[in-house]
Amino acid sequence: GAGVSQSPRYKVTKRGQDVALRCDPISGHVSLYWYRQALGQGPEFLTYFNYEAQQDKSGLPNDRFSAERPEGSISTLTIQRTEQRDSAMYRCASRHHEANEQFFGPGTRLTVL
Amino acid sequence: LAKTTQPISMDSYEGQEVNITCSHNNIATNDYITWYQQFPSQGPRFIIQGYKTKVTNEVASLFIPADRKSSTLSLPRVSLSDTAVYYCLAGGAGNMLTFGGGTRLMVKP
Repeated sequence: GAGVSQSPRYKVTKRGQDVALRCDPISGHVSLYWYRQALGQGPEFLTYFNYEAQQDKSGLPNDRFSAERPEGSISTLTIQRTEQRDSAMYRCASRHHEANEQFFGPGTRLTVL
Repeated sequence: LAKTTQPISMDSYEGQEVNITCSHNNIATNDYITWYQQFPSQGPRFIIQGYKTKVTNEVASLFIPADRKSSTLSLPRVSLSDTAVYYCLAGGAGNMLTFGGGTRLMVKP
């Protein structure tokens, strides 16, 4: 497709389970960003990559959160031992290296019961 | 990253021009001002970006005074479909984005 895609679109899990959220950026986009958005608030930065290198992970809330982009394309955000406070919309964005605009995906709505 | 302050909400009517002002008193020399639009259930969408003076594209205009401590997003002749949340951001071009609470614009018939 032409845009950023994310899967699954919805994920319901029980507290304590691990979840993996996938982001497929626009082809050729070097930079990939992960954000988390609570209802009624703006997106909150989590981490970002240039190619396969993780450039900044200062926004990850704690060590249960991790992300990878092993081949510089698809990225996975993993949350281990999920907690109810992890429930949110997780958004991915990608950016071409010659432009400033970030293109956002539709997000994954995570609900932890 | 400069903190931005913008109105929580605004109301307008179809056909009117809407101006949303954002203050960023602590903006750094290399920071750009960027505006994103977000509809319910969708990800944010880039509207416009500028450094100083005036920038115009097919969607909006961005006015930035010489001191760069504020900026104004101008939406000409809004329609019902412009109802959305508008975010003002100040930061390095191309870097990770720091969103505030945004301005909820409601366009009425």
